Amino acid sequence: DAGITQSPRYKITETGRQVTLMCHQTWSHSYMFWYRQDLGHGLRLIYYSAAADITDKGEVPDGYVVSRSKTENFPLTLESATRSQTSVYFCASSDFGQGGTEAFFGQGTRLTVV
Amino acid sequence: GQQVMQIPQYQHVQEGEDFTTYCNSSTTLSNIQWYKQRPGGHPVFLIQLVKSGEVKKQKRLTFQFGEAKKNSSLHITATQTTDVGTYFCAGISGGYNKLIFGAGTRLAVHP
Repeated sequence: DAGITQSPRYKITETGRQVTLMCHQTWSHSYMFWYRQDLGHGLRLIYYSAAADITDKGEVPDGYVVSRSKTENFPLTLESATRSQTSVYFCASSDFGQGGTEAFFGQGTRLTVV
Repeated sequence: GQQVMQIPQYQHVQEGEDFTTYCNSSTTLSNIQWYKQRPGGHPVFLIQLVKSGEVKKQKRLTFQFGEAKKNSSLHITATQTTDVGTYFCAGISGGYNKLIFGAGTRLAVHP
C-alpha cells in the first residue's frame, strides 16, 4: 500500500545498545524528516534529507546517525542508546521541492531505553 | 538557529467556547504550516500560509499569517469535542525546507 511506514512500532532496548528505526515511503518524496516527540517539547527535528545521499542536522542531532542511500528509505540509528533518548519518534516525508506542500507522518515508534 | 515558539501550552475550554493558539518565529518564514495531532495519533496537515497577512478559513478554523511573516495564529470558533488534540505550527525558512515545529498547544474541550 502507498504511504509512509515506520518499524518497529514499539521497541525496548538497553542503555548502550545500538538500535535502528526504519522509515519507508512509497511516494518517491524528495524530503524526509525524523522528529522526536517529548512532553513539553513538541516535535523536535533530529535530521532531515532533501534527496538520496543528502542529509543535514536538525535541532537535536547528537547521538543519532542517518543515511539515505535510496529515496524511499531513511533509517535512524542510535549508536549507543541513552535513557534520555526514550521518546516517540516520527518519520515524515514531503515533496516540497516539487510543488508539494504538506509533510506526511508515519505512525511513530515508541522507544524505551532502560 | 530558527526557533518557533507557540503559546499557550495547554488550553481547557467548554464546548462552544472559542480557542486561539499563537505561533512566533525568531526568523522570517517562507511559509507556515499547521498540523493537528489527535491523542495517540500522528500529526496531520491542516493548512499552509505563504503570503504576508494571509488569512484562510476552514469551516470553524481561521488561520492568519503576520505581515512580517514571523507570527501566525489559529482560531477555532465554537469548539466541539472533535477539536480535541494538539495543534502545532511549523515554519520553513531559508532555502533548505527545514520544517521546524513549535511545542504545540494541547486543547481539551469539556462537554
